Amino acid sequence: AQTVTQSQPEMSVQEAETVTLSCTYDTSESDYYLFWYKQPPSRQMILVIRQEAYKQQNATENRFSVNFQKAAKSFSLKISDSQLGDAAMYFCAYRTPGGGADGLTFGKGTHLIIQP
Amino acid sequence: DVKVTQSSRYLVKRTGEKVFLECVQDMDHENMFWYRQDPGLGLRLIYFSYDVKMKEKGDIPEGYSVSREKKERFSLILESASTNQTSMYLCASSFGDRGRDTQYFGPGTRLTVL
Repeated sequence: AQTVTQSQPEMSVQEAETVTLSCTYDTSESDYYLFWYKQPPSRQMILVIRQEAYKQQNATENRFSVNFQKAAKSFSLKISDSQLGDAAMYFCAYRTPGGGADGLTFGKGTHLIIQP
Repeated sequence: DVKVTQSSRYLVKRTGEKVFLECVQDMDHENMFWYRQDPGLGLRLIYFSYDVKMKEKGDIPEGYSVSREKKERFSLILESASTNQTSMYLCASSFGDRGRDTQYFGPGTRLTVL
């Protein structure tokens, strides 16, 4: 079974600084997808960024980028120029394609605090 | 924009009651999911469905059932609610290409069982 580990229950960063959230996963599959989701205090889960395992290039979405290390099974999220609106729970998630509409496997989350 | 809605944001029920949580998506997605979210445990998959009248058990199906009579609607049913089912419940949907497609989440239902 696949597992996703987020080793940082909580992180704090000063506004405008850069923060990196860690995620590792365990799988025997070679083809899969990785996601970072954000859940603000309003509770709506929002996709931040996704990465296909077959792509070597790290995904980027504006201030959000990932460092995908397939051999190390690591998928960290970097948030540049942190803003107050980035404060939220961040969840790393994993999924394999095919074989039915299986759900995502989530990590336990990292609570990100932005200090003004 | 994809929209996933859930019937209630907050719900309070008593032990033993039958509870229905409704989820509706407006993007003609094939796949729908129910997750449970608990502090320190993240999200865990309860059930999913990849077509009308089809359902599959997730990681924690015990004490729950589901119904999908129409493509846009996926219901989670607690046949006899218990206090350990107090939790946040999140519904999600995605298009047909399994694994590849992004899951879109509803706002969640905070269920309290007294």
